[in-house]
Amino acid sequence: AQSVAQPEDQVNVAEGNPLTVKCTYSVSGNPYLFWYVQYPNRGLQFLLKYITGDNLVKGSYGFEAEFNKSQTSFHLKKPSALVSDSALYFCAVRASGAGSYQLTFGKGTKLSVIP
Amino acid sequence: DTEVTQTPKHLVMGMTNKKSLKCEQHMGHRAMYWYKQKAKKPPELMFVYSYEKLSINESVPSRFSPECPNSSLLNLHLHALQPEDSALYLCASSQEFEKMRGYEQYFGPGTRLTVT
Repeated sequence: AQSVAQPEDQVNVAEGNPLTVKCTYSVSGNPYLFWYVQYPNRGLQFLLKYITGDNLVKGSYGFEAEFNKSQTSFHLKKPSALVSDSALYFCAVRASGAGSYQLTFGKGTKLSVIP
Repeated sequence: DTEVTQTPKHLVMGMTNKKSLKCEQHMGHRAMYWYKQKAKKPPELMFVYSYEKLSINESVPSRFSPECPNSSLLNLHLHALQPEDSALYLCASSQEFEKMRGYEQYFGPGTRLTVT
């Protein structure tokens, strides 16, 4: 069975500082990895994904994530945090094999950017 | 345009009512999904439609009945719900479902359902 771990329920960072939201995964075979952000009372918004190729993936709003196969991690990063980045962040994984369909989400990490 | 729309935004219904949630996308996506999300929890998959046919039912109670009238529309019919069914119901779409491609899903804003 595939799974995603987001070890931190909450991350606090000062505005202007770099931020990291951690994600590790477990899946059979090669993974498809995704990051989504959810603002209060809203749906999930797609940020970026890793499918294959370059381990550093750049996404929307200045976010990026680095795929590390040996550590089975896909941490989300941003060089300079904004107050408007405060939201709930979900990492998700899907196995790349034929017949796999389930998109498994982590439990979410609440990011608070302090002015 | 990567927009998925959902109506209504909020819905309050009694346990004997019948209501429907609606979802629409105009991205040409051939896969559409219903998720249920409880507060501060990740979304839980309920149903998947691929090319307007039901592909996945995650053992959802029959009081939830999905319908896909065409490739752009997805409905969720609700009947005799329980208070524990109160949640945010999210619709999503993606380019394909069963192909071996990492297509991302695009989510609508959700319908906040309260069952009284």
